[in-house]
Amino acid sequence: DAKTTQPPSMDCAEGRAANLPCNHSTISGNEYVYWYRQIHSQGPQYIIHGLKNNETNEMASLIITEDRKSSTLILPHATLRDTAVYYCIVLMWGTGRRALTFGSGTRLQVQP
Amino acid sequence: NAGVTQTPKFQVLKTGQSMTLQCAQDMNHNSMYWYRQDPGMGLRLIYYSASEGTTDKGEVPNGYNVSRLNKREFSLRLESAAPSQTSVYFCASSGTTGTYTEAFFGQGTRLTVV
Repeated sequence: DAKTTQPPSMDCAEGRAANLPCNHSTISGNEYVYWYRQIHSQGPQYIIHGLKNNETNEMASLIITEDRKSSTLILPHATLRDTAVYYCIVLMWGTGRRALTFGSGTRLQVQP
Repeated sequence: NAGVTQTPKFQVLKTGQSMTLQCAQDMNHNSMYWYRQDPGMGLRLIYYSASEGTTDKGEVPNGYNVSRLNKREFSLRLESAAPSQTSVYFCASSGTTGTYTEAFFGQGTRLTVV
């Protein structure tokens, strides 16, 4: 699986957009970008995933660069409840890869 | 629909004691996983089971055994607990719809070995 690099921590003001970057320069053509978050030691929660197109759901948007070497998770209007550790994971489920591999993630602190 | 359920939520063991952590999922998923998370760290894979009847070692399997009892249940056993196994343990399951695979996690078991 491709390795990912994320900043260890970020701050964001409540109500503003939170933009969390992830570098995955060794990503291969069939690997997806997944984002999970973990709120205060609860179990990780799925946020969004994408292959090469930008994606949006009710929680967030995912912007993947054209060369797919980096991506940005966008929380459009951050709230205090979005304070969490965010994990960017790159993988292709299936033969040879059977589980999510977590790095250290980005600790997002939303400030009132 | 409860998702992934882990029991117990909290446990204190003495060094050398044994215990089994239970995990059950009601989503008809084939794959199940056990992770551990030490303070300030990301999750590390202990064991996983790609389907009923199969188990494979992950990154940190030493000191643990697992049993995939049936499609729903995947248990983790500590035969002789050590203080280094103090951690939060997460069980997860994953399922695929088309090209989309999503993993769901339980709320964790907080284990302290004294």
